[in-house]
Amino acid sequence: ETGVTQTPRHLVMGMTNKKSLKCEQHLGHNAMYWYKQSAKKPLELMFVYSLEERVENNSVPSRFSPECPNSSHLFLHLHTLQPEDSALYLCASSQLRTSGGADTQYFGPGTRLTVL
Amino acid sequence: AQSVTQPDIHITVSEGASLELRCNYSYGATPYLFWYVQSPGQGLQLLLKYFSGDTLVQGIKGFEAEFKRSQSSFNLRKPSVHWSDAAEYFCAVGARAGGSQGNLIFGKGTKLSVKP
Repeated sequence: ETGVTQTPRHLVMGMTNKKSLKCEQHLGHNAMYWYKQSAKKPLELMFVYSLEERVENNSVPSRFSPECPNSSHLFLHLHTLQPEDSALYLCASSQLRTSGGADTQYFGPGTRLTVL
Repeated sequence: AQSVTQPDIHITVSEGASLELRCNYSYGATPYLFWYVQSPGQGLQLLLKYFSGDTLVQGIKGFEAEFKRSQSSFNLRKPSVHWSDAAEYFCAVGARAGGSQGNLIFGKGTKLSVKP
């Protein structure tokens, strides 16, 4: 496997279910990101992990819980979601510059989530 | 506030015609600049990026973009569009330094349709 992989690719869940999305990067990067992409809104940054520490949480509801056990893996734990949470969830990784500046983010194919 | 504007939500061009997608940004200093492409149900793929040097940047799939500092623009061009170019295109900017954790700011995207 190369690049950034995400599983599952599609997920249908009820509002009372608990599920997890998985992301794995094979690029040796030190930062990972979760984005939400829905039809009605532009790409929304949810969480940022830098060197396995969560450094940003953009006012995301607590029903979304990220976990980064090591620099290659990122999870998004989901519980008691709402229908409006249905969206494409994208994971990305990048190599942070020593200056703290941005560099290319590499994206996975996404998980299409439907909440019934 | 930092922002990226893609003024065209949807563009339709004929196959073989030229293409220009517009991107303007508002940023404190000259940022790093990126163009990504997303096919339906897929993640974002990097087309090209500008960090420094020649302001005309070549990318994959025959795309190029030109950075114009005076206009705060980074427009994407292709001389002859192919049907397979139908997708959504995102412009993004990122900081050159500082504690941004590598965050990118994305535009809302331009959807490209190609007529046979």
